Amino acid sequence: SQQGEEDPQALSIQEGENATMNCSYKTSINNLQWYRQNSGRGLVHLILIRSNEREKHSGRLRVTLDTSKKSSSLLITASRAADTASYFCATDFQGAQKLVFGQGTRLTINP
Amino acid sequence: SQTIHQWPATLVQPVGSPLSLECTVEGTSNPNLYWYRQAAGRGLQLLFYSVGIGQISSEVPQNLSASRPQDRQFILSSKKLLLSDSGFYLCAWSGGNNQPQHFGDGTRLSIL
Repeated sequence: SQQGEEDPQALSIQEGENATMNCSYKTSINNLQWYRQNSGRGLVHLILIRSNEREKHSGRLRVTLDTSKKSSSLLITASRAADTASYFCATDFQGAQKLVFGQGTRLTINP
Repeated sequence: SQTIHQWPATLVQPVGSPLSLECTVEGTSNPNLYWYRQAAGRGLQLLFYSVGIGQISSEVPQNLSASRPQDRQFILSSKKLLLSDSGFYLCAWSGGNNQPQHFGDGTRLSIL
């Protein structure tokens, strides 16, 4: 399968702690994207990192990409209760016109 | 700014009935359009995508079809719903390849 796979499937931490989620994939990509989904809602785009980039920041979010290991990580610093959601990585494979989504990491921030 | 509208938000249909879900995008032209299905607690399964009017690519064989009668309108249909068609259906658009996708709020479809 070309699908990205997130790890862990579920993560529960205390408010204020950092949360790290990982994504692995199998074939060459144009870019890798991270999305957030609140329960019962559509997905919201967070960050897009291109294959020639190694790190990207957006506010409290930090994404890294290691194309040699075919993996990416999403770090959320100083977590808040409002960060509770499911987080998905999606890969844009070379030659494709579509994204392939992983199964997601369910993040719970405990107040 | 660009917006995406998807309706209805929830739908309860009997087995064997037809289906029509509509998605429209405003504020952009010639978007790529996508239909996904999401099972409870799972990732997204791409059903159809379109890069232009009348151009539909199907990802999985199934009981569903899609059409794009206008540039910014994407419709998901079925002639006869099955129990297995239950799920959360999401429409999305993007500005082209290598671009982020922007999602509607989804339709929760329950088949009885």
